[in-house]
Amino acid sequence: GQQLNQSPQSMFIQEGEDVSMNCTSSSIFNTWLWYKQDPGEGPVLLIALYKAGELTSNGRLTAQFGITRKDSFLNISASIPSDVGIYFCAGGSGSARQLTFGSGTQLTVLP
Amino acid sequence: DAGVIQSPRHEVTEMGQEVTLRCKPISGHDYLFWYRQTMMRGLELLIYFNNNVPIDDSGMPEDRFSAKMPNASFSTLKIQPSEPRDSAVYFCASSPPGPGYTFGSGTRLTVV
Repeated sequence: GQQLNQSPQSMFIQEGEDVSMNCTSSSIFNTWLWYKQDPGEGPVLLIALYKAGELTSNGRLTAQFGITRKDSFLNISASIPSDVGIYFCAGGSGSARQLTFGSGTQLTVLP
Repeated sequence: DAGVIQSPRHEVTEMGQEVTLRCKPISGHDYLFWYRQTMMRGLELLIYFNNNVPIDDSGMPEDRFSAKMPNASFSTLKIQPSEPRDSAVYFCASSPPGPGYTFGSGTRLTVV
């Protein structure tokens, strides 16, 4: 089956620093999505990408859909304490509605 | 909109007991998904429905697991009999036509 390799697995950064994480796949996806999960809650959609090469921003978050359609990255600028959580990438392919999720990046922001 | 509502939030049960997890999707969403999250395996898709019909249950681990969606506003995931290795957080998510799910807050299941 399809698998997503998400990296890094965890990050410890200082408040105010920028963060970058990415996902790669051996398979092509038609859609890339990025989710954030707070402790004790379900993942919440941050950004959705629909076209190869697309670059989309949501406040301090910026995500890109790779040209090859096999990768995506998420950047967070000027991190703040509430950015703490687990970030998941997810890929969707064809007409299938199910998503394949990456293993997550645990982000810790130090004051 | 109250979002996807799952109950209970926490469930502790003894091995061998039947467990039923419940989900109310967002009104108008025609897809419903059940996921399981563990540290070792991450988010695993168990089963999903379209217009109340099961489409793909290949992720259901064993015959001990079953899921139903009797109507557009309710779904259940049942484990009978439960085992300690079933301990995980179970998420329900729903989706309108178009990509992107809305997840519920999950049910944390502990089987002792």
